[in-house]
Amino acid sequence: NAGVTQTPKFQVLKTGQSMTLQCAQDMNHNSMYWYRQDPGMGLRLIYYSASEGTTDKGEVPNGYNVSRLNKREFSLRLESAAPSQTSVYFCASSENRFYGYTFGSGTRLTVV
Amino acid sequence: GQQLNQSPQSMFIQEGEDVSMNCTSSSIFNTWLWYKQDPGEGPVLLIALYKAGELTSNGRLTAQFGITRKDSFLNISASIPSDVGIYFCAGLNTNAGKSTFGDGTTLTVKP
Repeated sequence: NAGVTQTPKFQVLKTGQSMTLQCAQDMNHNSMYWYRQDPGMGLRLIYYSASEGTTDKGEVPNGYNVSRLNKREFSLRLESAAPSQTSVYFCASSENRFYGYTFGSGTRLTVV
Repeated sequence: GQQLNQSPQSMFIQEGEDVSMNCTSSSIFNTWLWYKQDPGEGPVLLIALYKAGELTSNGRLTAQFGITRKDSFLNISASIPSDVGIYFCAGLNTNAGKSTFGDGTTLTVKP
């Protein structure tokens, strides 16, 4: 099983450019999440989708938008990238809100 | 919002030693989770705890759900080099629908 697949694995953007990070899971999970990880700051929740058709803001949503395209896919969009968005981005999914998460292997984004 | 205090921030130990780390919160959680992150990878779920007082093992790992529901502990016995990584605790409130993560404990094991 692939689990949670994130694309791309690496990306370099110029300030002001836009891009979409893709995430897909093949475990028929209902809930999906986007986190960013910065050195010394652990994992911070950007947005989440408790079920298909719903999305909610996490701790650090500013500068991001999300789309729950269907049950499998949850994308994260940066409309106008800023250097402060340089980070490692993780997508995760869970069967529902009562269980732990399965994480993807991350997207390493650098904004110059 | 809810915050978790995870300690220690980092540990340097010799192979074969036991390791203890913990997480505390000012809020109650329904579920406590422990993850491990290897370098360059996403976190992987190690142990899930669903009941106050619960003690659960996974090989050399043992975790406990504190009886106050505000803390959890993870112990690793007889550490080996592949135990190196970042260990995260997470608390889950089913009403909130999402987990709160600690800042992680970075473990280094010297052969």
